[in-house]
Amino acid sequence: QSALTQPASVSGSPGQSITISCTGTTSDVGSYNLVSWFQQHPGKAPKLMIYEDYKRPSWVSNRFSGSKSGNTASLTISGLQAEDAADYYCCSYAGSYWVFGGGTKLTVL
Amino acid sequence: QVQLQESGPGLVKASETLSLTCSVSGGSIGNYYWSWIRQPPGKGLEYLGRVYYNGSSNYNPSLKSRVTISVDTSKKQFSLKLSSVTAADTAVYFCARVPSGSLTFDYWGQGTLVTVSS
Repeated sequence: QSALTQPASVSGSPGQSITISCTGTTSDVGSYNLVSWFQQHPGKAPKLMIYEDYKRPSWVSNRFSGSKSGNTASLTISGLQAEDAADYYCCSYAGSYWVFGGGTKLTVL
Repeated sequence: QVQLQESGPGLVKASETLSLTCSVSGGSIGNYYWSWIRQPPGKGLEYLGRVYYNGSSNYNPSLKSRVTISVDTSKKQFSLKLSSVTAADTAVYFCARVPSGSLTFDYWGQGTLVTVSS
């Protein structure tokens, strides 16, 4: 199975909004409403930010939002803050296993 | 608050079997899937497999022949075995919980680095 496709890097200034895309196929992203997004700071475990395409866990700020259209999911972060700088990974259920994206490094300028 | 903690050898010889255990505290082990995910140094995440609390398991097709995941509900632990390891299996190994309703990884262990030596 192939990894989901994410841009290697994105950047934005404090207060701005950014969007990270995640492209899969009809076997994963396009077949299930089960895309998740994870934030990972260096040396730390990934942290769940979005699940089931757009839902936020209780510990996540409403500045983070998820959406999906066809085989492409997106993570939008509004009101960028310095602490948002991290790697972000998308992940999709694919029927009997999960597939991850290659990760996107977010730089807050 | 659910907590997961990985344990096991940090160094494994090539061609041998990597064995790790994840201990669960602060919550029930029942009615959840329990999974292993790894991350080679400087690279992305890779799903390895999952086990349900009743013992049924499922694996990443690309690793299926080398991976075994089991659960011990009495000890609130689940384990990973990866056979015939090579340098490519050097990675940080994470354990994670998967709620059966939402099928995402909601709680993670801190991760443990396993290095395969020749």
